[in-house]
Amino acid sequence: DGGITQSPKYLFRKEGQNVTLSCEQNLNHDAMYWYRQDPGQGLRLIYYSHIVNDFQKGDIAEGYSVSREKKESFPLTVTSAQKNPTAFYLCASGRRNGEQYFGPGTRLTVT
Amino acid sequence: GESVGLHLPTLSVQEGDNSIINCAYSNSASDYFIWYKQESGKGPQFIIDIRSNMDKRQGQRVTVLLNKTVKHLSLQIAATQPGDSAVYFCAEKVRGGSEKLVFGKGTKLTVNP
Repeated sequence: DGGITQSPKYLFRKEGQNVTLSCEQNLNHDAMYWYRQDPGQGLRLIYYSHIVNDFQKGDIAEGYSVSREKKESFPLTVTSAQKNPTAFYLCASGRRNGEQYFGPGTRLTVT
Repeated sequence: GESVGLHLPTLSVQEGDNSIINCAYSNSASDYFIWYKQESGKGPQFIIDIRSNMDKRQGQRVTVLLNKTVKHLSLQIAATQPGDSAVYFCAEKVRGGSEKLVFGKGTKLTVNP
């Protein structure tokens, strides 16, 4: 997991509640990413950030929001507008034009 | 849809055999490729990468081959061990694009003792 931490590992929420997932890295990477993974599926990009105070929507940004106030941190908020929020969420960081390193993931269950 | 895909969703091999996992990509502008290994309930782990100016790259027990003519990528694992059992993803990055990685759906490798 190499210097990228995500917390918590498991998260349970009631439908209609917003929830924030934490991602911290100490690798001095400029770029950070959030992905969603559903069972038996690949990774789909939610949001990414290449520099502090700037971020871009990925392929499935609807119902999610992020902030990048510090280089080390890239929290993801799953809002009540996300129709199907139950999934495995993965944060990654990396150098531009280089490989991405992933955190251990947060499994979110919304009932 | 995704431009990166895999020919086989599952692969079963005997311990000690060599494994070959394949990946097809459709974007000829992709110039960087990565293989990841994901064990159940964990985040993907970087295995090896290759840039489009190379055809082959070797790591410890792993080799990645890139055939740009047919837009095909493969991961070879030598002397496969039970600890190699996992889902393997290939990912591509398009040159000059937003530097996003596009992931395939993955191949589940099972190593039988």
